[in-house]
Amino acid sequence: AQTVTQSQPEMSVQEAETVTLSCTYDTSESDYYLFWYKQPPSRQMILVIRQEAYKQQNATENRFSVNFQKAAKSFSLKISDSQLGDAAMYFCAYRKSGNNDMRFGAGTRLTVKP
Amino acid sequence: DAGVIQSPRHEVTEMGQEVTLRCKPISGHNSLFWYRQTMMRGLELLIYFNNNVPIDDSGMPEDRFSAKMPNASFSTLKIQPSEPRDSAVYFCASSLNQGWQPQHFGDGTRLSIL
Repeated sequence: AQTVTQSQPEMSVQEAETVTLSCTYDTSESDYYLFWYKQPPSRQMILVIRQEAYKQQNATENRFSVNFQKAAKSFSLKISDSQLGDAAMYFCAYRKSGNNDMRFGAGTRLTVKP
Repeated sequence: DAGVIQSPRHEVTEMGQEVTLRCKPISGHNSLFWYRQTMMRGLELLIYFNNNVPIDDSGMPEDRFSAKMPNASFSTLKIQPSEPRDSAVYFCASSLNQGWQPQHFGDGTRLSIL
């Protein structure tokens, strides 16, 4: 079974600085997809960024980027120039190719200090 | 475009009562997912449908839980009889049936069983 591990229950960052959230996953598959979701206090689940495992290039969405290390099964999220609105729970998720089942990590609560 | 619509947003009821949660997926999406989120267990997949057909209900906790998808634009999750330990936030999500497509979440239903 595929499992997703987020080893940091909580993280904090100073406004305008950079923070990296960790995620590792366990799989025997070679073709899969990885996602980061954000859940602010409003409890919406919002897609932040996604990565296809067959792509070597790391995905980037504005201030959000990932460091995808396939051999190490690591998928960390970097948030640059952190803003107060980035404060939320962040969930890493894995989805096997050809399968609709998505597995989520336990989440990391990010606090942004003004 | 309208996102995934869930109702009600909040539900408070006494144990033993029947609870019905509703979901309208994004038009055109052919996969629908029901999740439960609690502090203790995080985000758990309960069941998902492809083209209105239940594919995997292994996450449904017990026979008190049932889900239906009578057509492409509507799904229900029913708990009968409800128990206090069912208190959680229940999310519905939908996606296109392709691995790289992200799931789009509704705002969730916060269920409290007294």
